[in-house]
Amino acid sequence: DAGITQSPRHKVTETGTPVTLRCHQTENHRYMYWYRQDPGHGLRLIHYSYGVKDTDKGEVSDGYSVSRSKTEDFLLTLESATSSQTSVYFCAISEGLTNTGELFFGEGSRLTVL
Amino acid sequence: AQSVTQPDIHITVSEGASLELRCNYSYGATPYLFWYVQSPGQGLQLLLKYFSGDTLVQGIKGFEAEFKRSQSSFNLRKPSVHWSDAAEYFCAVATSNTGNQFYFGTGTSLTVIP
Repeated sequence: DAGITQSPRHKVTETGTPVTLRCHQTENHRYMYWYRQDPGHGLRLIHYSYGVKDTDKGEVSDGYSVSRSKTEDFLLTLESATSSQTSVYFCAISEGLTNTGELFFGEGSRLTVL
Repeated sequence: AQSVTQPDIHITVSEGASLELRCNYSYGATPYLFWYVQSPGQGLQLLLKYFSGDTLVQGIKGFEAEFKRSQSSFNLRKPSVHWSDAAEYFCAVATSNTGNQFYFGTGTSLTVIP
């Protein structure tokens, strides 16, 4: 299995509080991604990174920010959590399409915003 | 803009019957196409991928998919379904630009009845 660790795995928080989810990889892959999974919507891309300090927005980036100060860590921050951000969040990594192209997923972080 | 459509939200098949899950994509350039499977409470696992070459690709667990450029489709097939194939299946298209973004369909839930 790809070395991807997400933390925390479960979190319950209140509306308006900041939340940070961490993704840590041991594979030295260049690309990292944050997705959210919701019933009826599949997986939607929030933000992605193509290198240290190189990040960009995905389909549903409003209300989220990211940072990547090291190759192995990709942080997702909800500055002020809302109930609509209750979801399961998946981190994924990839060597890139010019290599194997495969996207490897973490086990997910379930976030509940009350 | 790139997009992926999985028209079947839910499919039920009998064990031993054949299976076809549909996927249509919209992408201006040569697509990189994938099928992933997600078992309940788990992350996603790659079944197969298409980058170029032979339009019929083989994957794990006896699955195959056929790329048809004229129909913008990448349908997943299996000749004989096993009870353990019950899961959620996601089709994805990846873009070859800077971020190598992956975009997913909304998924098809497969139920297998004995």
